[in-house]
Parts: sequence; C-alpha cells; structure tokens
Amino acid sequence: NAGVTQTPKFRVLKTGQSMTLLCAQDMNHEYMYWYRQDPGMGLRLIHYSVGEGTTAKGEVPDGYNVSRLKKQNFLLGLESAAPSQTSVYFCASSYGTGFSPLHFGNGTRLTVT
Amino acid sequence: GNSVTQMEGPVTLSEEAFLTINCTYTATGYPSLFWYVQYPGEGLQLLLKATKADDKGSNKGFEATYRKETTSFHLEKGSVQVSDSAVYFCALGPPNDYKLSFGAGTTVTVRA
Repeated sequence: NAGVTQTPKFRVLKTGQSMTLLCAQDMNHEYMYWYRQDPGMGLRLIHYSVGEGTTAKGEVPDGYNVSRLKKQNFLLGLESAAPSQTSVYFCASSYGTGFSPLHFGNGTRLTVT
Repeated sequence: GNSVTQMEGPVTLSEEAFLTINCTYTATGYPSLFWYVQYPGEGLQLLLKATKADDKGSNKGFEATYRKETTSFHLEKGSVQVSDSAVYFCALGPPNDYKLSFGAGTTVTVRA
C-alpha cells in the first residue's frame, strides 16, 4: 500500500531558484493538501484542492503555486525560493469533511540558502 | 475562528510512566477532534479521533475524551514505552469544512 508518496525527500536550493514538489496518492481521495511544518508552529496549510482541476489558498499561500491536473497528483511549486521557505513540507489527502482523517506523506525537507 | 492549543514540550518520561498531553480548542459548532502522531522521519498518522461530545477515542493504549464543557481533548496513556517517543499533534476538524487546524505539537521522549 503506497498511500501518499512525496518526491523528493530532501532538497537544497539557492535563493531565487525554482522547484516543484510532487505528491501522488493511490486512495482515490478527492481532497489533497500541502502543509509546511516549522518548529513551534505546528502545521500550516499552504494550498489545498477539493478535486481535479481545482485549487484554493490556505493560511500561508504567498510564494507558492499549485496544480491538480490529475486526481491522484498535487504539485507544489516555488517560483523563486527564499530562505523563509526553509521547512518540511507535507502532502496529505482525504475523502473530505471534518470527520475524514488525513493521510500524510513522509515529507520533503527543503533548505534554501 | 477555529484554533487548537496544546501543552508545550518537550516532555521526557521514563518507561511505564503516565503520560498526559493537554489540548484545548476554540471552535464554532461541533467539531471533530483528532490526535495525530509523528514518529521520527515520518509523516503524521492518525492516532485516534472523536466526533461528538463525550466520545472517547482510543488506540494503542492511548485515550482521549471529547469534553465540550471544558473544550478539551487531553491525550493520556497509562504506561508509556520507548516506542511512544514521537511528536503528538492535536487537531480540530470543523463540522462543515475539510481543513484541519493543528496545534503546535508536543515532543515526547521516553527513556528506558
């Protein structure tokens, strides 16, 4: 059971570089999310999607873009990386509604120098 | 708005000790409440949940009771093991929304 798979696991970028984080889920979930995890701040929602072709902003969307061209994939892009984007990024998916638990990937550790 | 406050860590315990992690919430309506656990190097995984007042969620020896009168969902385990060392997150799911609000996380270390 693959569940939610994130690639890459680690990445180091220089300020101003761009990159895309890939998330894939095989549970046929409608909803997908990108969170960032920073010490002492828990998880903060960056962007989310309620279905193929739809995306929406979360709490901290600035500096990020997303796309959901296929139901199973949710991409997070950084157009011009900044040191403030150094973080651990988690993708999650769910069936939806407040009762549905989230299924998380193992995270991507990004360092921007 | 919706928010979750959980006790700050880190918490260090000896094996077989009793663990409590406090969690209180602010929400409109009747949210669902969750505890997630993150083991080193992994993503979060659901530990237990409760969907209405007075419900008790339980899993792997952990328990939490949804207390509407005190807006709390404290996590407890009677006898911890080294394998329980992890970061624990309390989370809230609004009744008509699908975006969870997470607490800051509590790091628990259990020593043999």
